[in-house]
Amino acid sequence: AQSVTQPDIHITVSEGASLELRCNYSYGATPYLFWYVQSPGQGLQLLLKYFSGDTLVQGIKGFEAEFKRSQSSFNLRKPSVHWSDAAEYFCAVGAAAGNKLTFGGGTRVLVKP
Amino acid sequence: GAVVSQHPSRVICKSGTSVKIECRSLDFQATTMFWYRQFPKQSLMLMATSNEGSKATYEQGVEKDKFLINHASLTLSTLTVTSAHPEDSSFYICSALAGGTDTQYFGPGTRLTVL
Repeated sequence: AQSVTQPDIHITVSEGASLELRCNYSYGATPYLFWYVQSPGQGLQLLLKYFSGDTLVQGIKGFEAEFKRSQSSFNLRKPSVHWSDAAEYFCAVGAAAGNKLTFGGGTRVLVKP
Repeated sequence: GAVVSQHPSRVICKSGTSVKIECRSLDFQATTMFWYRQFPKQSLMLMATSNEGSKATYEQGVEKDKFLINHASLTLSTLTVTSAHPEDSSFYICSALAGGTDTQYFGPGTRLTVL
């Protein structure tokens, strides 16, 4: 069975500082990996995804993530956060493209002025 | 593009009544829709997968007779919570997958409160 762990429940970062959110997955085959962001009152928005190829993927809103098979990780990064980045972030894994997703517990990001 | 809506956004009902939640793909046809449940400050848990024109596939532990799912068209799936009880209070989120694509697009969610 596949599983996803996001070790950090909360992260507080100053505006303009860099951000890294950790995601570790467990899956026997090549995973399909996603990062979603959930803002209050809004649906989950896809930030980026990795299926194959270049292990460093670029997403929307200035986010990027790096797939490291040896570490079973897919960490999300942003060089300089904006106050609007305050939200809940979810990492998810699927067995195949378009397949059902297993989500991590989420990381809530707070941005200090 | 790829907008998914849910209706209603919030619903409060009395214990023992049934509630229907609609999930619509507004600008694409969704061959597959997923229903998730999210408890406060927790992650999303998949409840079921529905394919247009066929019976939904429920995850282990989800009561199919309590959570009725219908995917009658390529743009609409409904979740009916039957004989709702306070423990069914939760945030229900749907997602839709366009045919031939690899990404789920999520609706804004429905907050159900059962009194």
